[in-house]
Amino acid sequence: EIVLTQSPVTLSLSPGERATLSCRASQSVSSTYLVWYQQKPGQAPRLLIYGTSNRATGIPDRFSGSGSGTDFTLTISRLEPEDFAVYYCQQYGISPFTFGPGTKVDIK
Amino acid sequence: QVQLQESGPGLVKPSQTLSLTCTVSGGSISSGYYYWSWIRQHPGKGLEWIGYISYSGSTYYNPSLKSRVTISVDNSKNQFSLKVNSVTAADTAVYYCAGEPATEVTETNWGQGTLVTVSS
Repeated sequence: EIVLTQSPVTLSLSPGERATLSCRASQSVSSTYLVWYQQKPGQAPRLLIYGTSNRATGIPDRFSGSGSGTDFTLTISRLEPEDFAVYYCQQYGISPFTFGPGTKVDIK
Repeated sequence: QVQLQESGPGLVKPSQTLSLTCTVSGGSISSGYYYWSWIRQHPGKGLEWIGYISYSGSTYYNPSLKSRVTISVDNSKNQFSLKVNSVTAADTAVYYCAGEPATEVTETNWGQGTLVTVSS
């Protein structure tokens, strides 16, 4: 099973700041099958990034994804008030599919 | 774009079987190369992948749940289903269905989720 580790656990930042979230895999993951989700309380996860670096429909360009192999990154260039949420990475290239434990981005 | 919607009882008694259905619209469940998955989220916790049924009909389950879980598909109704046997309070969660593309770099699609509570 591929274990995904996300860091930091919590990221405390102010609006307008840059957020860098890490997702590290215990073994190599195909970039095709690495996605990032945003989740707010009481809501379903929302797809942000698919295929490591492709923004999903309607996602603003302040969100970007990068990486390969075992190291992947989600960057939010300038935090907006609506970006404070929990972010999950997921791989679905190798069964069983797995999620990271999440990074909470909260307001400093 | 493919849309998914979960349905099923919101309350299940301990030791009984939890049964949920996911209805897919905007595309045929049998025509694309997708993994049709179930995911759950315990209250206040992270996301747990339960298992999938693939476009070819093969299934794969989370090893931690394998002995109690069955996922099946009904192509005529454009639906796939989840059954979890012998439920306990630990199975109380929000359950999501999702479509994950198997061969293309394209978007995944999720339902809105449904809360299932296990209680007598």
